[in-house]
Amino acid sequence: ETGVTQTPRHLVMGMTNKKSLKCEQHLGHNAMYWYKQSAKKPLELMFVYSLEERVENNSVPSRFSPECPNSSHLFLHLHTLQPEDSALYLCASSQGLGTTTDTQYFGPGTRLTVL
Amino acid sequence: AQKVTQAQTEISVVEKEDVTLDCVYETRDTTYYLFWYKQPPSGELVFLIRRNSFDEQNEISGRYSWNFQKSTSSFNFTITASQVVDSAVYFCALGPYNFNKFYFGSGTKLNVKP
Repeated sequence: ETGVTQTPRHLVMGMTNKKSLKCEQHLGHNAMYWYKQSAKKPLELMFVYSLEERVENNSVPSRFSPECPNSSHLFLHLHTLQPEDSALYLCASSQGLGTTTDTQYFGPGTRLTVL
Repeated sequence: AQKVTQAQTEISVVEKEDVTLDCVYETRDTTYYLFWYKQPPSGELVFLIRRNSFDEQNEISGRYSWNFQKSTSSFNFTITASQVVDSAVYFCALGPYNFNKFYFGSGTKLNVKP
C-alpha cells in the first residue's frame, strides 16, 4: 500500500465502549497528526507527533488518547466518548516539522458515530 | 492571532465556467506557508499546493491557478473551465514556518453542474 491508510473507515460505538483508530503511513515521514472534522466546523488539529514524541496537544479531552509506537504508525484510543465526538477523524503525515518539506498528506479518514 | 477566512460557503457553477475561491488569512509571522486542499465526497483530503510567503509569483498547474497577494493577505484559487469532477470542498490553510500547526479555513463547497 502507498500513502496514508486509516482503519477502520467507519466506526459506530456506544458511549461506554473502548475502541482504537489506526493510521499507517508508507511515505517515510517523521511526523504524524490527528485531526477532527465535525460538520460545519473548520478542521481541528488534535495531536502532533514527531519522531514518536508528542509535540502538540490542543487541549483535547482525556477520553482521546494517542499512541505513536513508531514513525509509521499512529493510534487514537477512544473511551467513554460523547455523541458530540461523532466526526470524521483524519490522520496525516509530513516529512518533518519546521522544514521546507512539511506538507501534510492525509489519509481517507475514519467516520466515527457515537450513539 | 492566526486565522484563515473563506467567506464563500458554497458556490455553484455550470461546467466549463471559470470559478475563483477566495482565501484571506491573518498572521503575525513574517514567514509562513499557505496551502490549498481538496476534499471530494469520498472524504480524503488531497493536497493541491503549498506557497511560501516569500514567493508571490502566481502559480498555474493545468486548469488550476493561484493568486497570492501579500498586500491584501489573500491566496485565491481559480479553476478554469470547471468540470464535474471538480465538485468538492476546498480548504485553504495557513502554517507557520517553524512549527507545523495548521489553521484551516471553514472550506468552500464547489458544485459543478453538467
